[in-house]
Order: sequence, then C-alpha cells, then structure tokens
Amino acid sequence: QVQLQESGPGLVKASETLSLICTVSGGFISDYYWSWIRQTPGKGLEWIGYVYYTGSTYYNPSLKGRVTISVDTSKNQFSLELSSVTAADTAVYFCARDRPSSNCFDSWGQGTLVTVYS
Amino acid sequence: EIVLTQSPGILSLSPGERATLSCRASQSVSNSYLAWYQQKPGQAPRLLIYDAFSRATGIPDRFSGSGFGTDFTLTITGLEPEDFAVYYCQQYGNSPFTFGPGTKVDIK
Repeated sequence: QVQLQESGPGLVKASETLSLICTVSGGFISDYYWSWIRQTPGKGLEWIGYVYYTGSTYYNPSLKGRVTISVDTSKNQFSLELSSVTAADTAVYFCARDRPSSNCFDSWGQGTLVTVYS
Repeated sequence: EIVLTQSPGILSLSPGERATLSCRASQSVSNSYLAWYQQKPGQAPRLLIYDAFSRATGIPDRFSGSGFGTDFTLTITGLEPEDFAVYYCQQYGNSPFTFGPGTKVDIK
C-alpha cells in the first residue's frame, strides 16, 4: 500500500518561499498524478495543483503564478514551492495521490503544518 | 470555479441512525465527478466515494453515494461509533477542483 510523507520547514518568513517535499513509498511515482492540497480553518480544503510523473503540471489559478510543483522520479518524490508567502498561506499542507483516471485523492500524507511569520 | 455547498453544517445523531448529507454545486458537475471524504481530528481526509456512487477500496457498504448534475447525497446507513467525523464533498469534473465546507456528524 502506497504511503506518502511530507517534509519541510514548519516556519516560513513572510515574503519568502515555502518548500515542501513529499516522499512516496510502497509504490512507484510513475503512471500517477500527484497533488498538493492545503487546509485552513477559514478556507477549508484547497487544491493547489498536480504534477504528472512526466513532469507536466496544472495549478489552481487562485494562487496566481506563485506555485511550482515538480517531480523527481529517481527519488520517488515530488515537491511544492509557494513563493511570496503571507499569513494567509499558513495551513496544513497535504500531499496526495490522484486516483487513476480521475482527480480525486485516494492516498494522502499525514499533513504538515506550515506557519508564516513576520 | 464550481462552488460546493454542504448541508447541514452539523448533524447530531445517535449510533445506529441513518445520516443523510447533502452537497450542492453552483453548476453541473461534469460526468458526476463527485467524491466524498471522511476526516477525523488530526488526520488526513479518507476517500469514501468517487464518481458520485462508487465506494473506494475497503469502504464498508453502509456508506453510499447518489446524485447527478448539481445535487449529490452521501448516506450512512446505521452509524457506527467510528463514523462520527467531518465529511467533505469534492468535485473534479471542472478545474480547479474544489471542496465543500464540510458537514460534521456528531454524537447526539
């Protein structure tokens, strides 16, 4: 059974770049889409974007060009970068696997809290 | 962007009762690409239902989904103690993919 684990700093200074990595174990990253999703008490669950194992991506337009998602198949990892962060980016960030032939999420990491401070 | 509205916000029920949760979309969800998730405190959401009515792997048959277009329903027949949680719907028929605000099912 595939497992996902997020890693990265829990504190990020405002205006800087948030960077997280998701490590996939128990399965290969190939042949799937992989997403980042965040959750806040105020806005709820928000899909950030996905990357295919080939490297193709699609992002939520609400994040206005601040997002980059990439994949490293040799390490079975994919990553998230969110630039110019503000307090509104404080959230629990989840990585997830898209279910085959759809964009709902059948496996999730445990989530990691990222707090933006000034 | 499709906006999802869930009702009720909180549903107070007793174990053994039937729970009926609603998810309404601001426009028709293509191909009924609607999923339901369960989330417990401190945990990630867990996929229960996809494509409006298909149960995900390992999900008990007391969970069922129905609906099409803009109106969808999650039914839990005979609540078990472990079913008290927050439930979210998500549409993936149109990008960006969006989630509803959730329905909390708590113990009466």
